[in-house]
Formats: sequence, structure tokens, C-alpha cells
Amino acid sequence: DTAVSQTPKYLVTQMGNDKSIKCEQNLGHDTMYWYKQDSKKFLKIMFSYNNKELIINETVPNRFSPKSPDKAHLNLHINSLELGDSAVYFCASSQGGRGEQYFGPGTRLTVT
Amino acid sequence: GESVGLHLPTLSVQEGDNSIINCAYSNSASDYFIWYKQESGKGPQFIIDIRSNMDKRQGQRVTVLLNKTVKHLSLQIAATQPGDSAVYFCAENGAGNQFYFGTGTSLTVIP
Repeated sequence: DTAVSQTPKYLVTQMGNDKSIKCEQNLGHDTMYWYKQDSKKFLKIMFSYNNKELIINETVPNRFSPKSPDKAHLNLHINSLELGDSAVYFCASSQGGRGEQYFGPGTRLTVT
Repeated sequence: GESVGLHLPTLSVQEGDNSIINCAYSNSASDYFIWYKQESGKGPQFIIDIRSNMDKRQGQRVTVLLNKTVKHLSLQIAATQPGDSAVYFCAENGAGNQFYFGTGTSLTVIP
């Protein structure tokens, strides 16, 4: 059983397009996150959701919007993609906002 | 082998040697820390954690040391194996329930 899954694993798209990345966790956790990892492996938190409420919103462009249809899902929608959005995006979940986080396998986004 | 995370992002050690990976954290209010291991092509995976009321915690082949005075964490891996080759991150949890990850240190184990 995959604890945290993301789709797609790879995403190649052109500048200006709109795309979504899906994330699902089957751990029963109440908090989910999105991270961006750049080419230097730096991991930066973008968003977290707790019980459908956004509790962290780092200074990311408003072209990025998290959407959580239920506690087990946190999708990431990106509008008007730019070259600088190319990165690996990780979804994670935890029980409570301060516990160990379980990460998904990542989605490698390439914007051309 | 020994490294300082932000200034020496790579560390190479011989198989069987002990490894020490260092991390300097920034927020003196941080009271919970986690070490993660990220293998190539995968997401980070929990290794060990420590709370600020402790200065040492041991797991299987790993030990985390916390020095709050100088805001420093280290991860010690005993008898390093090829499967330990990965990028290691320390993450600090401070105010607002936010986790901040360091740059990471790439560990390469030489057979």
C-alpha cells in the first residue's frame, strides 16, 4: 500500500499552460503539505492544510493554489506556468502539524 | 568523515567508517528537529527526531546530537553502508508549526 501517492510522476509542459498535480494519502493524517525542491535539492514548504483549512501559506506566487476536496487529498494547481517553476514537487502528510511527515515520491515538473 | 551542511554539501566516506553530518539551525525557538534521508528519485524519509529537552537520541546505527547553545545538530551514522548513500536533511520546527529544511548534505559511501 502506498502511503502518500502523487500523480503524475513526470510533467512536461510549455510556458503559459495551466497544470495540476494530485496527491492522496491513506494514512488518516489530518495535515498535508506541498514542498518545492529545486535543482540544488533545497526543500521549501509551499502550503499545508489541516482539516481543509490552509494554515501555512508561504510567499509563493498566487499562480499556485492548493485545493483540498477532503482530508485525504491535497492537489496543487498552477496557472500560467513559467520556466522558474521547473522543479520537483513533493506532497507530504502528518498527524498534527508538528509530527513526522510522510512524503510522496515527487512530481518532476519541466516547463519548456 | 565529517561535514558542515551548508558549507560542505558533499561528504564521502569509506564503507564501514562512521559518518557525521552537521546542521546549523536558525531559530532559537525551534523545539523539535527531524533528520530525513532522501535517496535518488524518492521523497525524503524520516530517520530520527529529537526534542529540545534532550541533547542526544539513539536509533539503529544512528545518533542525533543537539546543542542548543550553538544551535547545532549532528547525525552520526555508525558503520556506514552503501545503502546509506543519499542526501540528508535536518528540519527544524519552530513557531507556527512550520518545518524548515536545511540545504541538505549528500553522503557518498565508497565501497
